[in-house]
Amino acid sequence: ETGVTQTPRHLVMGMTNKKSLKCEQHLGHNAMYWYKQSAKKPLELMFVYNFKEQTENNSVPSRFSPECPNSSHLFLHLHTLQPEDSALYLCASSQDQGGYEQYFGPGTRLTVT
Amino acid sequence: GESVGLHLPTLSVQEGDNSIINCAYSNSASDYFIWYKQESGKGPQFIIDIRSNMDKRQGQRVTVLLNKTVKHLSLQIAATQPGDSAVYFCAEIKNNAGNMLTFGGGTRLMVKP
Repeated sequence: ETGVTQTPRHLVMGMTNKKSLKCEQHLGHNAMYWYKQSAKKPLELMFVYNFKEQTENNSVPSRFSPECPNSSHLFLHLHTLQPEDSALYLCASSQDQGGYEQYFGPGTRLTVT
Repeated sequence: GESVGLHLPTLSVQEGDNSIINCAYSNSASDYFIWYKQESGKGPQFIIDIRSNMDKRQGQRVTVLLNKTVKHLSLQIAATQPGDSAVYFCAEIKNNAGNMLTFGGGTRLMVKP
């Protein structure tokens, strides 16, 4: 185990639903990240939080809304998603932003129907 | 545009043989490189890293080689085992890009018994 947990592991949602993904890290890290992993595409960085403050938004559509209430927890709120948003959503953490060794969670496999 | 990419999408090797996974990068400003391993159903896991002022670094059964002249990175796995079967990603960090990781497309390593 990497010390980063994600729930749920699998999620199926309709385009009109609202759901949230949760990530928790038990490593005492200060930076947390959301990545999207689609089939046959490189990992795409979505958001970065450092000390609970968002420092990076990689031109992500507003139907994805992150929240970081503290350095250990990160959420990704989803609403009115599209089928092309179906992917594996990975959370990661590192000691600090730009910390070279990022620890990844197992991901949430999202299917939008 | 600048990118990190992989030469081969799939590599099949016999158990016990050595494996070499290659990666090309195009940004000469990259100063740090990482190899990640992603097993089925799991998030990426850090394997080994190398700074741009080095050309070789060894870990346990793994060696990373960096050729800055041709912007080429490789991961060598000695005595490949079935547990090495996974997708391998190279990633680069550019100090002038907020120290964010940019991932390549991944190579799937299949180990035949």
